[in-house]
Amino acid sequence: QKEVEQDPGPLSVPEGAIVSLNCTYSNSAFQYFMWYRQYSRKGPELLMYTYSSGNKEDGRFTAQVDKSSKYISLFIRDSQPSDSATYLCAMRDSNYQLIWGAGTKLIIKP
Amino acid sequence: GAGVSQSPSNKVTEKGKDVELRCDPISGHTALYWYRQSLGQGLEFLIYFQGNSAPDKSGLPSDRFSAERTGGSVSTLTIQRTQQEDSAVYLCASSPSRQELGGYTFGSGTRLTVV
Repeated sequence: QKEVEQDPGPLSVPEGAIVSLNCTYSNSAFQYFMWYRQYSRKGPELLMYTYSSGNKEDGRFTAQVDKSSKYISLFIRDSQPSDSATYLCAMRDSNYQLIWGAGTKLIIKP
Repeated sequence: GAGVSQSPSNKVTEKGKDVELRCDPISGHTALYWYRQSLGQGLEFLIYFQGNSAPDKSGLPSDRFSAERTGGSVSTLTIQRTQQEDSAVYLCASSPSRQELGGYTFGSGTRLTVV
């Protein structure tokens, strides 16, 4: 079993929909939780990071962490075709090592 | 430069040949990382540099893989006697320090194909 599980998709939704992307993890020592966006043939870029359980909002994006369930989510409101990309979750352990999910490919249909 | 630069962007090589991949990090970033990304897989950590030293090289898959960093700047990842399973995108990232959460900046990667 991988330390971080993420459905690879693809997830296809119409423009304007609310998107929910999720990861589960098994290591309770993970302290920081990150979401990266990766466009085709580009490197990942950081969207958001959170430390504690709860929600963190940045514009149309909301990151949610539930440490008791070992479950994190990224919500995208009013999705746009430009949001079409692969979204990767990453988690940092006590040795500062980042452990990555496989990424979910998101397609926003105009 | 403004971002992390990797070269070449694409490399096709014959099985058994050696390849060198280059990473030019953001100026002033002391931490540098190499990752490998295979289709449908998450990023696989290869090696971490702090300055010119590599305190964590635990992710290098075999002794065919080596990396160095000179002048606290440019890094080269070398793969000797390439195999088909080495085909992947090799990503480099840099950050001001390893503790910096928001500071990982990735290059666009080198897409390596071993035929």
